[in-house]
Amino acid sequence: GENVEQHPSTLSVQEGDSAVIKCTYSDSASNYFPWYKQELGKGPQLIIDIRSNVGEKKDQRIAVTLNKTAKHFSLHITETQPEDSAVYFCAAFTSGTYKYIFGTGTRLKVLA
Amino acid sequence: KAGVTQTPRYLIKTRGQQVTLSCSPISGHRSVSWYQQTPGQGLQFLFEYFSETQRNKGNFPGRFSGRQFSNSRSEMNVSTLELGDSALYLCASSSRPVDAANEKLFFGSGTQLSVL
Repeated sequence: GENVEQHPSTLSVQEGDSAVIKCTYSDSASNYFPWYKQELGKGPQLIIDIRSNVGEKKDQRIAVTLNKTAKHFSLHITETQPEDSAVYFCAAFTSGTYKYIFGTGTRLKVLA
Repeated sequence: KAGVTQTPRYLIKTRGQQVTLSCSPISGHRSVSWYQQTPGQGLQFLFEYFSETQRNKGNFPGRFSGRQFSNSRSEMNVSTLELGDSALYLCASSSRPVDAANEKLFFGSGTQLSVL
């Protein structure tokens, strides 16, 4: 079945450094890839997304890249701040089954 | 604009009981999706409702069911609870069905269910 693998499961970075989270999807029909940030006690919040006809998208300190050939997409956070500490989820929308398949999450800790 | 509201925030039940969770979507949103979140498993899709009709469902046993009312509010029911049902249950709303041009999901804060 459809699957999204996400790595790493935990990531610690020093404040000001960059963080990269990677996801790999299995269904070649996937065409939309959102990223969610979940803070403690809250539901996931959409932070950035990318569609399959775009290779890269940037929003201030956050960027997402997509390699359709390799079925990889990544989240890049630059100049990390303590408030970036949270669990991040990637997801792939599969047009065949009309479902979002989520990765297992990455717990990011930004050390002050 | 109020966000997605889920009630209650916390529930403690014992094995064999049943439970009903409630979700009120963002005003104007007609699609409600339910997800189960467990540590290490990420978010697992349960089902999606649009205009009171179930449009899609995940791979969960029949003990998990849901419905949507005419005001778009949705309820999820789990019967004969098992220990493994302990999880955070998340509801997400969108303005159109999920299959409509990659509609974005807006999540509530979830209901934390503990089964003892």
